[in-house]
Order: sequence, then C-alpha cells, then structure tokens
Amino acid sequence: KAGVTQTPRYLIKTRGQQVTLSCSPISGHRSVSWYQQTPGQGLQFLFEYFSETQRNKGNFPGRFSGRQFSNSRSEMNVSTLELGDSALYLCASSQNRGDQETQYFGPGTRLLVL
Amino acid sequence: GQNIDQPTEMTATEGAIVQINCTYQTSGFNGLFWYQQHAGEAPTFLSYNVLDGLEEKGRFSSFLSRSKGYSYLLLKELQMKDSASYLCAVRDPGDSSYKLIFGSGTRLLVRP
Repeated sequence: KAGVTQTPRYLIKTRGQQVTLSCSPISGHRSVSWYQQTPGQGLQFLFEYFSETQRNKGNFPGRFSGRQFSNSRSEMNVSTLELGDSALYLCASSQNRGDQETQYFGPGTRLLVL
Repeated sequence: GQNIDQPTEMTATEGAIVQINCTYQTSGFNGLFWYQQHAGEAPTFLSYNVLDGLEEKGRFSSFLSRSKGYSYLLLKELQMKDSASYLCAVRDPGDSSYKLIFGSGTRLLVRP
C-alpha cells in the first residue's frame, strides 16, 4: 500500500499571501488530521476530517481552514500568511481496527513565510 | 487540561538498552502512541497502547499503566540510527476524533 502523500514538499511564500496544501491518505483510511510542527511549540493539532466532516479543531485562528473530499483526500488552507506560520505541516492518516489504532504521517510540507 | 511530560534529552551507548518515560495528566484516556522522528523528517509510527501492559515489536517495546498515567518506550540493542527524537502522544478522549496531544519529545543520542 502506498503511504500518506503530501504536496508540495516545500513552499516559500511572503506575508499576506495564502497557501493550499494537499494530503492523500493511505487507501481505505477515512480520517485525515493536520498538525503544525515548529521548534518552539512542537507538534500541535490543527483539525481532523472524517468522511468529509470536520470532527475536531485545534486552537488556531480562523485563517487556518481545511476540507476533505469524497475520495478522502484533504486540503488545508492558510490565508493572510504571517511569519509565524513558517513550520512543517504534517498530515496523518488514521484507521481503527478494534483495539489496534494506527496513525501514519505523511512526509510533510515545509512552509517558509518571508 | 492535558499535560504530557517527557525528558528533553537522553544519551546512551550503542548496543545498550534505554528506557524513555512519558507521564500524562489528561481528563480521560483513549490510547497512547509513540513515534520516532529523525531530524528533518516526519514522525514514524512505533507503537500504540490502549490497555495496560507491555507491547513488544522487535527491538522496541512500549509499556502502559493507565492507573499511574505512565508509559515508557524501551529500545534494546541500540544502533546509531536510533539517534532521533521520540514523541509520546495521547489520543484526546473528548470525542471520537483522532486528535493526538503530543509531548515535547525526547532527543536520544546514541554514542559509539
């Protein structure tokens, strides 16, 4: 099975611009979660989608949004970029099989805001 | 609130055994994950514990005690490639989502 894929892998933007990141989960996984990782804050949860519905949202401003499509692929969007949005954005694909749960991360998109 | 504590750094010798501890205080519990993350890379799934006890996978084992809010990751026969950050994460018990709350990670340095 192919793993979680994310595009693009690297991105450079300037303040005020917007960006869209894409994630394709492992085949058969219906849940996609997004995380932001920075050296200062570590890994922080952004939001999770399951069957095209947002089930949970982290403590991030409304500039951060996402969606999920019927094929489980997900996108996240950040509008009006700020310098502090520079981070590694990770997508995780999840599946629960009884008492065994797995969450696999994609390679991430490294965003630099100048 | 949710709080997850791990040591910031650990050093061990190649071939040895190291135990990385994680304690958590959360309003509930719905499973604990361990991930390995090499510098500049994404986290790699290592283990998942939801019941008390030890789960073994090759050189890696993970233990959970729910009554103590405690877990550890045991790495045996350490190799140089095990130098990485190890992240402990608890699944948010608040709802059915897969939200994970991460600790700050433990940076492990394996020396020859």
